[in-house]
Amino acid sequence: GAGVSQSPRYKVAKRGQDVALRCDPISGHVSLFWYQQALGQGPEFLTYFQNEAQLDKSGLPSDRFFAERPEGSVSTLKIQRTQQEDSAVYLCASSLVRGGNSNQPQHFGDGTRLSIL
Amino acid sequence: KNQVEQSPQSLIILEGKNCTLQCNYTVSPFSNLRWYKQDTGRGPVSLTIMTFSENTKSNGRYTATLDADTKQSSLHITASQLSDSASYICVVRGYQKVTFGIGTKLQVIP
Repeated sequence: GAGVSQSPRYKVAKRGQDVALRCDPISGHVSLFWYQQALGQGPEFLTYFQNEAQLDKSGLPSDRFFAERPEGSVSTLKIQRTQQEDSAVYLCASSLVRGGNSNQPQHFGDGTRLSIL
Repeated sequence: KNQVEQSPQSLIILEGKNCTLQCNYTVSPFSNLRWYKQDTGRGPVSLTIMTFSENTKSNGRYTATLDADTKQSSLHITASQLSDSASYICVVRGYQKVTFGIGTKLQVIP
């Protein structure tokens, strides 16, 4: 399809395990964003890429969270030594142009629902 | 701290009726404001976007208004349909940051 694709859609892991979440943005989109959405809450910003460069990672809650986009397209969000409070929906979004003051909308994937037992 | 507050938290209306959702923000400086619709289990989808100079923007049965002086926005839904049942999220972009509201959960019943 032509939209943002995320995988897996659901992930269950035991506390302490590492997980990796994948995002395929819309082809040609320069900007890529990761968000964390807790149940009943709005998305919270995690990190932002412009092509392969991670320009803002101020939203990552701890050093257990790591994101990469090595070739400026597919991105992976990795969470090490998962904890129960990491349980949430992780949303990826992409937009055509650079971030900052862009009026271009962000196109969201359907998210990965992560449950930590 | 930049904040976006939405009201009501939840709303139930009869099919065919109109409704208005509110968004108040303290984000400064202001760049633009978007309304998103998020169906259960899906990602948000953009409905409207407004910049500082725009007072109103329509997208079908959705009409958004913006008062940049009072830092308030509203989303008006006309002739609601069952498919309008979703969360509606107000998103305000500042200089470099985007702040999301927690959304208004709308349920349209027959």
